[in-house]
Amino acid sequence: KNQVEQSPQSLIILEGKNCTLQCNYTVSPFSNLRWYKQDTGRGPVSLTIMTFSENTKSNGRYTATLDADTKQSSLHITASQLSDSASYICVVSAEGNTPLVFGKGTRLSVIA
Amino acid sequence: GAVVSQHPSWVICKSGTSVKIECRSLDFQATTMFWYRQFPKQSLMLMATSNEGSKATYEQGVEKDKFLINHASLTLSTLTVTSAHPEDSSFYICSARVIRLAGGGGNIQYFGAGTRLSVL
Repeated sequence: KNQVEQSPQSLIILEGKNCTLQCNYTVSPFSNLRWYKQDTGRGPVSLTIMTFSENTKSNGRYTATLDADTKQSSLHITASQLSDSASYICVVSAEGNTPLVFGKGTRLSVIA
Repeated sequence: GAVVSQHPSWVICKSGTSVKIECRSLDFQATTMFWYRQFPKQSLMLMATSNEGSKATYEQGVEKDKFLINHASLTLSTLTVTSAHPEDSSFYICSARVIRLAGGGGNIQYFGAGTRLSVL
């Protein structure tokens, strides 16, 4: 069964600190993996996308890694800001005309 | 990246009325659009897959007569919540898929900003 598991479920960090969010998946055959940021009451916004041949990708203070062998991904946030408070969702796409598989997300709270 | 516009962003209606939500791909053609529902602190749940010019495919447990989907053009899909009731209050999100024919990466989905439906 295609699944995406994220950890931790929630996280509270101080402004300026770094943090790393984890994503494990069992989706096969793998096509791509995306990290989305979803603010409360808004739609998801894409942060990064990686195919099986890419093992790291950065977008400003966000850096995602992918290990296609172990089927794990991480999202590292550097020098966190209050505006980083949101849910971060790991989404994996399988090859072909199949629905996306969503993780349940990690709810990040950045506090002053 | 591609832009998906969803309208309205927030709607309040009386129980028993119908509500239409529009989803438009602004700068690309989307042969497939998706409708999701999201409850507070939950992940997105796929309701239905909409292919242009054909009937939508509904996920198990989603009433097709309750949630009418029309995908009449390559840039527009609509979701109509018929005879809405308070239990239909939720956050509805549409998504449009772009098929990347070259360069790998498979299919890419872009999401709308969502519509918050409150049924009184």
